[in-house]
Amino acid sequence: SQTIHQWPATLVQPVGSPLSLECTVEGTSNPNLYWYRQAAGRGLQLLFYSVGIGQISSEVPQNLSASRPQDRQFILSSKKLLLSDSGFYLCAWSPTLLYEQYFGPGTRLTVT
Amino acid sequence: AQKITQTQPGMFVQEKEAVTLDCTYDTSDPSYGLFWYKQPSSGEMIFLIYQGSYDQQNATEGRYSLNFQKARKSANLVISASQLGDSAMYFCAMRGANSKLTFGKGITLSVRP
Repeated sequence: SQTIHQWPATLVQPVGSPLSLECTVEGTSNPNLYWYRQAAGRGLQLLFYSVGIGQISSEVPQNLSASRPQDRQFILSSKKLLLSDSGFYLCAWSPTLLYEQYFGPGTRLTVT
Repeated sequence: AQKITQTQPGMFVQEKEAVTLDCTYDTSDPSYGLFWYKQPSSGEMIFLIYQGSYDQQNATEGRYSLNFQKARKSANLVISASQLGDSAMYFCAMRGANSKLTFGKGITLSVRP
């Protein structure tokens, strides 16, 4: 069966520091991968998605970036965090763009 | 543009009773999909049920069923025989022609013993 991992689970970072969140999927090949952010008490906002290695689509202009160095690895990064980057970051995968998405456990980021 | 609306305030239901969570949507795409996800306090989003716009019958998955009324653009989730573990946030989402999911703001469900 397929599993999706995210780490770290929680992170507290000062403003202006860099960020790297990692997501990996097991048990499938060539998944579609997604990064979402959820502000407190809100729905999910799609940040990036990828249909293959090196293929990244950005949905929201911001100081975040994403990379997919391997088939089942998706990384969310920032060179300098802002206070507004605080939130709950969820990674998801789907076998195709038409299927339901399966989410990881999430990373709770607090920028201080 | 796609839009999902979930306007119910926090919902309460007695254990073992049924509850309906409302969702309305707006899209100009002729083909789309509707999803419901559950988010417990741990934060993980759990896929519950899917309904395609061309599906003739309402989707069902165990205690979950989707009351799909295409003309009214509504896709309400019905949970039968509520359990204490059903207490969570519930999100309705839609996939349109661009294949991206648009989420509603969610509904909080509390199951009372």
